[in-house]
Amino acid sequence: QSALTQPASVSGSPGQSITISCTGTSSDVGGYNYVSWYQQHPGKAPKLMIYDVSNRPSGVSNHFSGSKSGNTASLTISGLQAEDEADYYCSSYASNNTLVFGGGTKLTVL
Amino acid sequence: QVQLQESGPGLVKPSETLSLTCAVSGYSISRGYFWGWIRLPPGKGLEWIGSISHSGTTYYNPSLKSRVTISVDTSKNQFSLKLSSVTAADTAVYYCARRKVTPYFNYWGQGTLVIVSS
Repeated sequence: QSALTQPASVSGSPGQSITISCTGTSSDVGGYNYVSWYQQHPGKAPKLMIYDVSNRPSGVSNHFSGSKSGNTASLTISGLQAEDEADYYCSSYASNNTLVFGGGTKLTVL
Repeated sequence: QVQLQESGPGLVKPSETLSLTCAVSGYSISRGYFWGWIRLPPGKGLEWIGSISHSGTTYYNPSLKSRVTISVDTSKNQFSLKLSSVTAADTAVYYCARRKVTPYFNYWGQGTLVIVSS
């Protein structure tokens, strides 16, 4: 079971849109519609932002959106805000009732 | 409001067993859902350790399976993690979390730092 692949860092200016990719295999991302995304600020617990590929929990801003194509899932943040600066992790269900996380992406708002 | 709180020693010696407990409030574990442990090693990404159902069925990360035991105590409304034969590589912030039926974690504890050092 290998970690999902995410870019180490992405950046954007306020108001811009960015996309974070999350690449797995047909045994995890590609095989199930169970990709979730978490936001983590330094010293804080992760916060669920997207579940089941594209669903937003209650209270999460609609400028966060998720999608999937083949073995790659994506998190898009439109209209970047300063408070969006954080680490972002994807996660996917994998075979045999296991879960796998991505290595994390540090988002910098310029 | 569902709340989770990790507790346990912050320092563990190499080769010993790391033991953590997660106390749950605002929801009775016996009612359902899955309960999990995730860790964040310094400078690295999140790693899923394992999950347990309210009835005690367990699922473990294959890379840790030989060293991990997760158990649930519905009478105390808490669940626990034991990780044996620890090394410095097990140094991390350990989180407990509640997992929905579809596999995502919607409630997390604040995390507890465990350092493995002699």
